[in-house]
Amino acid sequence: SQTIHQWPATLVQPVGSPLSLECTVEGTSNPNLYWYRQAAGRGLQLLFYSVGIGQISSEVPQNLSASRPQDRQFILSSKKLLLSDSGFYLCAWLLTDTQYFGPGTRLTVL
Amino acid sequence: KQEVTQIPAALSVPEGENLVLNCSFTDSAIYNLQWFRQDPGKGLTSLLLIQSSQREQTSGRLNASLDKSSGRSTLYIAASQPGDSATYLCAVSLSGSARQLTFGSGTQLTVLP
Repeated sequence: SQTIHQWPATLVQPVGSPLSLECTVEGTSNPNLYWYRQAAGRGLQLLFYSVGIGQISSEVPQNLSASRPQDRQFILSSKKLLLSDSGFYLCAWLLTDTQYFGPGTRLTVL
Repeated sequence: KQEVTQIPAALSVPEGENLVLNCSFTDSAIYNLQWFRQDPGKGLTSLLLIQSSQREQTSGRLNASLDKSSGRSTLYIAASQPGDSATYLCAVSLSGSARQLTFGSGTQLTVLP
């Protein structure tokens, strides 16, 4: 069966520090992968998606970047965090038209 | 640009009631529509997927309908239970290989015992 992992589960970082969130999928190959952010009082916003290794598309201009170094690994990064980067970050993958979500990472930037 | 709206934003009902959650979208050129459930502090759980060519889908006590031409979907929950308390989100996807989702802001449901 397919599973999706995200880590860390929670993270508290100071403004200006770097960020690296990781998402991995098991049990499938070459999935479409997605990063979403859910900020307090706001809906889910698509940040990046990838249809294959090294192929990254950005949906909104921001302080973040994404990379896909391996088929089933999707990484969200930042060189310098802003207060506005706080939120709940969710990774998802696509299986026959249905998107399945990971458990999420709660990021607090202080 | 696709916009998705969910009404009401919050809903509180006594246990056992049947209820309907509403979702509307501005661009009818969708590929499919998904309903999700989100418990506090958790990720999203997929409930139902309706393809653009379908009118409804059912899973247990849940029934989702889709009227693509009018840009509307409803999620019907029969015989609600306290365990149904959660935020319910609808999302529409575009055609194309990426299948990006655009989400509504959700309906927070509380079922009172």
